[in-house]
Amino acid sequence: AQSVAQPEDQVNVAEGNPLTVKCTYSVSGNPYLFWYVQYPNRGLQFLLKYITGDNLVKGSYGFEAEFNKSQTSFHLKKPSALVSDSALYFCALPGGVTFGTGTRLQVTL
Amino acid sequence: NAGVTQTPKFQVLKTGQSMTLQCAQDMNHEYMSWYRQDPGMGLRLIHYSVGAGITDQGEVPNGYNVSRSTTEDFPLRLLSAAPSQTSVYFCATHFRDTNRYTFGSGTRLTVV
Repeated sequence: AQSVAQPEDQVNVAEGNPLTVKCTYSVSGNPYLFWYVQYPNRGLQFLLKYITGDNLVKGSYGFEAEFNKSQTSFHLKKPSALVSDSALYFCALPGGVTFGTGTRLQVTL
Repeated sequence: NAGVTQTPKFQVLKTGQSMTLQCAQDMNHEYMSWYRQDPGMGLRLIHYSVGAGITDQGEVPNGYNVSRSTTEDFPLRLLSAAPSQTSVYFCATHFRDTNRYTFGSGTRLTVV
């Protein structure tokens, strides 16, 4: 069965520092991978996706994700965190069935 | 262009009551889905539809019914509410080829 895993329930970062939110996957064949963000009391919003090609994918709000086939990972990154980035982040596979359990990002001053 | 609209935003039900959660989209997307979100469990797919007149079950369909008479609307019915159905419910849409989902802002349901 195909799956994604987010090993951290919460990530704490100081504003201005780089952030990483981790995701690993288990997929047969070439994976398509997505990241979504959920702000309080809102639905999920699409951030970025990986299909094929460059291993570094750029998305909305200055986020990017690094695809690593050997480590079966698709970590979300941002060079300099903002307090406004505080939210819940989900990685996902296509098809609308498989979402990670979510990682809460807390950025503090 | 409102995207995906869910109503109501909040609802409290008594055990055994029934209700319908509404979802409407103005994006002309073929696919619509209902999810529930519970702490520590991410999103779980309840039912989905690939077009008007076509619906299918997701991971956790028990206790819920759906119908899709038009492209725009995809209501979710709770037949006899139970406390285990206390959750936040999200409706989502996407085009078949993109897999990029657009979500509504959710309905927070409490069953007492």
